[in-house]
Amino acid sequence: SQQGEEDPQALSIQEGENATMNCSYKTSINNLQWYRQNSGRGLVHLILIRSNEREKHSGRLRVTLDTSKKSSSLLITASRAADTASYFCATGPREGFGQGTELSVKP
Amino acid sequence: EAQVTQNPRYLITVTGKKLTVTCSQNMNHEYMSWYRQDPGLGLRQIYYSMNVEVTDKGDVPEGYKVSRKEKRNFPLILESPSPNQTSLYFCASSPLQVSPASSNSPLHFGNGTRLTVT
Repeated sequence: SQQGEEDPQALSIQEGENATMNCSYKTSINNLQWYRQNSGRGLVHLILIRSNEREKHSGRLRVTLDTSKKSSSLLITASRAADTASYFCATGPREGFGQGTELSVKP
Repeated sequence: EAQVTQNPRYLITVTGKKLTVTCSQNMNHEYMSWYRQDPGLGLRQIYYSMNVEVTDKGDVPEGYKVSRKEKRNFPLILESPSPNQTSLYFCASSPLQVSPASSNSPLHFGNGTRLTVT
C-alpha cells in the first residue's frame, strides 16, 4: 500500500537556488524517510526523521515533519547540478513509494 | 562493502520463458523486498520477507514468486513472464526493528534490473 505522496511532481531550478519538496501521508507513523534516485538507479537513503522530531538537518538538507498535518518537507539549499534526481518519501518498509519529485537543477 | 546485489542488470526475454532475478545482501538484514517501478506509477511493492522462510505479498504480487531459503538471498521468479511485466525492478533490504514492530530502518537498494518481455 502506498503511503507517501510527493509534491510537486517536477521542479526545475537554477544552480544555487533552494529546492523544496513536500510529502503527504495518510496514517500515523514512527518515522519518515527521504530517498534520492539518480536516473534508473537504486534509491539511496538521505535522511530519517522520527515522529517526535519537528526538524532535522544533514549538510544541505533540511527536513521538517508536521504530524498534525501528516506532512513533511525536504529543503535542499544552494542546489547543485549534481542534485538533479528524483526524490521520494517513505513511511515504512512495507509501504510503497509515490511517484517522487523529479528535480532538475540547471547549471 | 555493504551492498545489495541484483543480477542481471538488463534482461530481454520472450513471453512464457521462466526467469529468475537474483538478489543478495551482505549486511545480515532480516527484511528484504522487491519493487517494480513504472512511469507514472511510482515504486510498487511486489513481495517482501521478514526473515528466512517468511514471505508475504505486497501490492502487486500477481505473476511473481519469491523464496527466502537463506537470509542473504531473495530471488524473484517469473514463471511465465508477460509483456505487462516489462519494468524496472529493485530489490531492497533493511534490518528489522523488533520494537515497535511497525518501525522501520532505512532501506538499502540494489541497482535495479531492467526487464523487457516481448
